[in-house]
Amino acid sequence: QLVLTQSPSASASLGASVKLTCTLSSGHSNYAIAWHQQQPEKGPRFLMKVNSDGSHNKGDGIPDRFSGSRSGAERYLTISSLQSEDEADYYCQTWGTGIRVFGGGTKLTVL
Amino acid sequence: EVQLVESGGGMVQPGGSLRLSCEASGFIFSTYWMSWVRQAPGKGLEWVANIKQDGSDKNYVDSVKGRFTISRDNAKNSLYLQMNSLRAEDTAIYYCARDSREMDVWGQGTTVTVSS
Repeated sequence: QLVLTQSPSASASLGASVKLTCTLSSGHSNYAIAWHQQQPEKGPRFLMKVNSDGSHNKGDGIPDRFSGSRSGAERYLTISSLQSEDEADYYCQTWGTGIRVFGGGTKLTVL
Repeated sequence: EVQLVESGGGMVQPGGSLRLSCEASGFIFSTYWMSWVRQAPGKGLEWVANIKQDGSDKNYVDSVKGRFTISRDNAKNSLYLQMNSLRAEDTAIYYCARDSREMDVWGQGTTVTVSS
């Protein structure tokens, strides 16, 4: 079964960097994923797609501070030079034949 | 500007029906799969259904199979979700999304409340 696992919460200081993790279920370690950001009281926004080779393709207007990578079954979203507006929920998402799957989301607090 | 605008949400009693709409602009609607994604109060995102470019293939999450129907009208650049036999657990914000496998464009959402 295709499942994405995320830690429920993370925190980092203003101006610092943070790395969020999304883990693919067994047997799906080569899947590509996408990262989405949801700021408080707003709809989701597509950030980027992280391909199976670890490269990433960002959405329009996404700052260079956001980057994606992979290691094995883990997919990462790294945000550098944290700003207050980066405080949000971050969701990873993947896909199988016909279906789409979301991780449970990580709530990022900027201290 | 690429845009998705949902409408049709509201309050309905358990067992009732509601039809959501999503109007697309700024891209060639007929060349993309489209999805509905929902978010229950205080919860995460849940994919609900998607539909192929010509409407010939549709997929649903198990919890809505047999109750919800996704459809589209490419001439009107519009996506729909017919929701029947609504339950309290269907209460959520429903988002329309352009489905390139990754959801690369999102609408602002429309709220559905199922309550007596």
